[in-house]
Amino acid sequence: GQQLNQSPQSMFIQEGEDVSMNCTSSSIFNTWLWYKQDPGEGPVLLIALYKAGELTSNGRLTAQFGITRKDSFLNISASIPSDVGIYFCAGSNYGQNFVFGPGTRLSVLP
Amino acid sequence: KAGVTQTPRYLIKTRGQQVTLSCSPISGHRSVSWYQQTPGQGLQFLFEYFSETQRNKGNFPGRFSGRQFSNSRSEMNVSTLELGDSALYLCASSLVVRGATNEKLFFGSGTQLSVL
Repeated sequence: GQQLNQSPQSMFIQEGEDVSMNCTSSSIFNTWLWYKQDPGEGPVLLIALYKAGELTSNGRLTAQFGITRKDSFLNISASIPSDVGIYFCAGSNYGQNFVFGPGTRLSVLP
Repeated sequence: KAGVTQTPRYLIKTRGQQVTLSCSPISGHRSVSWYQQTPGQGLQFLFEYFSETQRNKGNFPGRFSGRQFSNSRSEMNVSTLELGDSALYLCASSLVVRGATNEKLFFGSGTQLSVL
C-alpha cells in the first residue's frame, strides 16, 4: 500500500528557532493535510493543501504542496514551548483513503 | 460549533470481550472515518461511512465492524478482543464525501482501549 515518509523523525530545537519538516510519498496526491497531536489527544488539523505549489499559512505555520505532488513541507517560525508535540502529514488522491505519515516529534528546549 | 465527540475516553477490557465505541461528528458532517493508532503502526484506517453506507474498509479482520445512523453518529464494534487491539481509536468527520474537493478530516480526542 501507499507509504508516507516524514523527516526528521524527531527534532530538538531551542525556543525561538525556526522548524522545517517534510513528508514524501511514493505516489501523487491531490490533498495534503498537516496535523499536530498532543499526548492522549486526537490530531488537530493545522493546514490543508489542495493544489500543487500551493503555499498556505496559519499563524506561525506555513505549509507547501510540492510541485511534484509527491511531497509537502511544514515550517514553524519562532518556535514556542507549546509547539511541542507530534506533527503528522496525511495525503489522499481522488477518493482514496487518507494515508498518514509516522510523524515528526518536536521538542522545544527553553 | 462542537467538535467531534467520542465516548468513552478510556476503556479497559479483557481478552475475549467485545467493545462498542461511539462517535458524534461535527454538526452537518455526514462522513465519519475510524482509525486505529498504535506506537508501532501509527494511524491505520479502519473504515469510512457516508450517509449510513460503508464506503471504504481498511485491512482489518472481520472482528472490527461499524455502522452509521441516520443522524450521522457512528459506532464501531470490536468482538473477541485480543491484546493487540489495545490502541487509541480515533474518529474523524468530514463535511464532504471522500474524494470531494477541499476535503478536511477533523478528529475527536479518541477512545483509549486497553485489553488485559
